[in-house]
Amino acid sequence: QVQLVESGGGAVQPGRSLRLSCAASGFTFSSYGMHWVRQAPGKGLEGVAIISYDGSNKYYADSVKGRFTISRDNSKNTLHLQMNSLRAEDTAVYYCAKETFRGGDFDYWGQGTLVTVSS
Amino acid sequence: DIVMTQSPDSLAVSLGERATISCKSSQSVLYSSNNKNYLAWYQQKPGQPPKLLLYWASTRESGVPDRFSGSGSGTDFTLTISSLQAEDVAVYYCQQYYSRMFTFGQGTKVEIK
Repeated sequence: QVQLVESGGGAVQPGRSLRLSCAASGFTFSSYGMHWVRQAPGKGLEGVAIISYDGSNKYYADSVKGRFTISRDNSKNTLHLQMNSLRAEDTAVYYCAKETFRGGDFDYWGQGTLVTVSS
Repeated sequence: DIVMTQSPDSLAVSLGERATISCKSSQSVLYSSNNKNYLAWYQQKPGQPPKLLLYWASTRESGVPDRFSGSGSGTDFTLTISSLQAEDVAVYYCQQYYSRMFTFGQGTKVEIK
């Protein structure tokens, strides 16, 4: 069965960095686009970053552009999100999500990892 | 980015009654080449990730009960729960995947009256 397991979250001070990972299993990871979606406490869903199946195309929300970098290692079935210059407003649960073959909706999500940015 | 706006923000419905949620997009999400609306609906229960309910605006994901239905085209969409069950208490989100940076509505909380 498909599994997405995030790791790397935690508490960090403003301006510091954090790297999230998402370990994927149960499907052909290298065939699907992958996303990071975040949810601030008590708030809605926000798409953060997208990476194409082969890593050749990446897209970012304006709120994280220039600070976050999405990457993937298809040999290890792993997705990453490098987060630099973190701000209080980046505090959220970060989910990795798998695109469907249709390309844009998400049929599987991880359980999420909490990132707290606070001094 | 395409802005998705849901209404209402919350609603309370009696068990067995109909719940209706609206979702409007700031521009059309209908792709003319295949006549498909790039619009999905998700259900999120507390402490859980979202769950895909519908895609192409009206196609139910495998395993989703048929009391969930979607309608609409272009910029105006509706999610209907025909007969609300206790397990349907959740927040519901619409999402467009027409433009590459996908965007979600702000969510609608459904509760039991």
